[in-house]
Amino acid sequence: RKEVEQDPGPFNVPEGATVAFNCTYSNSASQSFFWYRQDCRKEPKLLMSVYSSGNEDGRFTAQLNRASQYISLLIRDSKLSDSATYLCVVNLGLNQAGTALIFGKGTTLSVSS
Amino acid sequence: NAGVTQTPKFRVLKTGQSMTLLCAQDMNHEYMYWYRQDPGMGLRLIHYSVGEGTTAKGEVPDGYNVSRLKKQNFLLGLESAAPSQTSVYFCASSSDRALQETQYFGPGTRLLVL
Repeated sequence: RKEVEQDPGPFNVPEGATVAFNCTYSNSASQSFFWYRQDCRKEPKLLMSVYSSGNEDGRFTAQLNRASQYISLLIRDSKLSDSATYLCVVNLGLNQAGTALIFGKGTTLSVSS
Repeated sequence: NAGVTQTPKFRVLKTGQSMTLLCAQDMNHEYMYWYRQDPGMGLRLIHYSVGEGTTAKGEVPDGYNVSRLKKQNFLLGLESAAPSQTSVYFCASSSDRALQETQYFGPGTRLLVL
């Protein structure tokens, strides 16, 4: 079973739409959670961390359900510039050296005018 | 402050050739990582380092070696390149093992092995 699973999409939405991405993880010992954004042929960049209480950053809202091992990202009022691949990332918090980030394969979003 | 840089940006190799990818960071980070990204596979950890002089294996270490002789540099070596190593390679760094700490990525190196 893949440790972090995402719907690959693509999600094709018009400007102004609300879109939601879902992610599930298999390791119940996972310690922390993130959404990264990756533009075409670019490196991944942190979009936001995901906290148990849920958190919001402008048009972006992230939710975590530890019981269901489920993470979500909601984007409101989509912009053309939101077009990218969104990576769900889980930190296993290994006690030994380093932190182990496990990446989902990503969900592709295309916003059109 | 350049963040994380990678050299080269793009390289074509023939099967059996060797090469070294260089990663440099100017953020004084202790932890550095090498990933590869393939279509449909997501990012996979090759090797990582928790400090100068230390390295460890990640998920897919076979065919690669690494060295961390200086804190700011992390080198990834391919001794005998194979077509299966055609990929995009990303280096990343982070300041400590704090669980909320993000990793900062370099721009990537695109490698084609013929």
